[in-house]
Amino acid sequence: GQQLNQSPQSMFIQEGEDVSMNCTSSSIFNTWLWYKQDPGEGPVLLIALYKAGELTSNGRLTAQFGITRKDSFLNISASIPSDVGIYFCAGPATPVGFSGSRLTFGEGTQLTVNP
Amino acid sequence: DTAVSQTPKYLVTQMGNDKSIKCEQNLGHDTMYWYKQDSKKFLKIMFSYNNKELIINETVPNRFSPKSPDKAHLNLHINSLELGDSAVYFCAALQVWTGELFFGEGSRLTVL
Repeated sequence: GQQLNQSPQSMFIQEGEDVSMNCTSSSIFNTWLWYKQDPGEGPVLLIALYKAGELTSNGRLTAQFGITRKDSFLNISASIPSDVGIYFCAGPATPVGFSGSRLTFGEGTQLTVNP
Repeated sequence: DTAVSQTPKYLVTQMGNDKSIKCEQNLGHDTMYWYKQDSKKFLKIMFSYNNKELIINETVPNRFSPKSPDKAHLNLHINSLELGDSAVYFCAALQVWTGELFFGEGSRLTVL
């Protein structure tokens, strides 16, 4: 079945540092989604990418859809304590617009930010 | 108003019992899901319903039975609970045109 490899599994950084995490897929994706999960909450979408090579920002977050369509990365600049949480990449096995979409998630990156 | 709401948020029960988790979404989306998040935080799809019809059943034991009385509700009933069923269960609704899943807050099930 489809696999998403996400790395690193965990990161411990100081406040103000930049962070980078990435995902690779065993198959081509048409969409990459990056989610964040706060403790005790459900995942919330941060950034969605729909085209190979696309680079999208959301505040201090920047994500890119790899040109091979098999990878994506997420950068967080100037981290702050509230960036703590688990970050997931995700991609659908089917094209967007299909009601039977099956979203596969990476294993997650646990981010800890020390003040 | 919470877009996707699940109840209960916490559930502690004994092995062998039967329990249900309810989910409701007010987003008007047709497709809803159940995901299981284990102790390693891995999110695994269990079921998907589109407008009350089952469209994905990801080889989940038949002790798990989802029920969708209407497209805004997707409930999960679990029979004969086992220790390995302990996890956080997330309900989600799909915004088809963007591929975005909207998740509930999760229901933490602990089987003793």
